[in-house]
Amino acid sequence: EDQVTQSPEALRLQEGESSSLNCSYTVSGLRGLFWYRQDPGKGPEFLFTLYSAGEEKEKERLKATLTKKESFLHITAPKPEDSATYLCAVLGSSNTGKLIFGQGTTLQVKP
Amino acid sequence: GAVVSQHPSRVICKSGTSVKIECRSLDFQATTMFWYRQFPKQSLMLMATSNEGSKATYEQGVEKDKFLINHASLTLSTLTVTSAHPEDSSFYICSARPAGLSYNEQFFGPGTRLTVL
Repeated sequence: EDQVTQSPEALRLQEGESSSLNCSYTVSGLRGLFWYRQDPGKGPEFLFTLYSAGEEKEKERLKATLTKKESFLHITAPKPEDSATYLCAVLGSSNTGKLIFGQGTTLQVKP
Repeated sequence: GAVVSQHPSRVICKSGTSVKIECRSLDFQATTMFWYRQFPKQSLMLMATSNEGSKATYEQGVEKDKFLINHASLTLSTLTVTSAHPEDSSFYICSARPAGLSYNEQFFGPGTRLTVL
């Protein structure tokens, strides 16, 4: 069964304090691993897609990496506006287009 | 690009009434759309997969007669909550996957907050 586990559940950082969020997964035939950002009361906003181990993608202060078992979302010198819930999801070959989501990591960045 | 809209953003209704929520892909065509439900401080729960021109596929435990889904065009899917009750109050979010074999991403709408009194 495809499964996604995110850690930590919640993370508090001071502005400028870099850290990483973890997404561990088990999936039959990875077709893609996705990172989304969700602000309270809004729908998830697409950030990255990773397809194969070793792949990396960057966007401003965010960098996503992928291995065969997990993905990391690295946040460099975060700002208060980076505060949000970050969701990780996988698409496997056994599911017809369905994303399997983790429970999310809620990040709070204090000024 | 890849913008998805939902309407309404908020709706309050009385118990027993039906509510329709629209999901539109504004700048791309989507053969597949998805409907999710999200409770406070929880992750997204997939309710159903909607394919243009065919019947929706519902997840286990989701009542298809209560949550009617129609995907009449490549840019529009609707979710109708029939005979809504307070326990149906939730945040409903749709997503759309662009047509074409190279696309695996889903792009999400802003969500609809349903409150049933």
